[in-house]
Amino acid sequence: GQNIDQPTEMTATEGAIVQINCTYQTSGFNGLFWYQQHAGEAPTFLSYNVLDGLEEKGRFSSFLSRSKGYSYLLLKELQMKDSASYLCAVRDQYSGAGSYQLTFGKGTKLSVIP
Amino acid sequence: EPEVTQTPSHQVTQMGQEVILRCVPISNHLYFYWYRQILGQKVEFLVSFYNNEISEKSEIFDDQFSVERPDGSNFTLKIRSTKLEDSAMYFCASSRGTVINQPQHFGDGTRLSIL
Repeated sequence: GQNIDQPTEMTATEGAIVQINCTYQTSGFNGLFWYQQHAGEAPTFLSYNVLDGLEEKGRFSSFLSRSKGYSYLLLKELQMKDSASYLCAVRDQYSGAGSYQLTFGKGTKLSVIP
Repeated sequence: EPEVTQTPSHQVTQMGQEVILRCVPISNHLYFYWYRQILGQKVEFLVSFYNNEISEKSEIFDDQFSVERPDGSNFTLKIRSTKLEDSAMYFCASSRGTVINQPQHFGDGTRLSIL
């Protein structure tokens, strides 16, 4: 089975740093993705990790530990526009059928306050 | 920047009616997907499509659902006889390939409301 856990909600202050955690237990693993989703809008790709370690991309960084089934998304210098849901998604094992599917967590709703 | 586009943005349909949701994937992408998100719940995979055939489908994607690429640009999801529980946001996504650095890009979605 597939199980991806994230905190439901978080609140952080403008200009601060916030870390959003994600743990997963999946039948296969071929990469972990983070997406941002503003209310009523499409998920927007932020980052991916396939190997252990930290990937940095501007104000956003993502970390992966495959042995622990754990990832986090780090957002620095928070801005009001960062208020959104952050979705952790795992790409499952390649089935040989020609594509991968993403299994999503329920998302973490981040509220940035002044 | 190229985008995945979906029409309509909102579809209201009577239960039991057929509905077709339309998507135009990014032009040089080869892999296409449909996901749905029931209000307040997580995004769920429905189906993936490559080389003019279904690659994978989830348990949600039963005989009431079908997908088609009728021409070189459109990718459609059809629900034959809609049920109340089909009410959700439906997202189309596409990717250029399946290498890790070729992520899936999502459209803005179609909000389907079944009455």
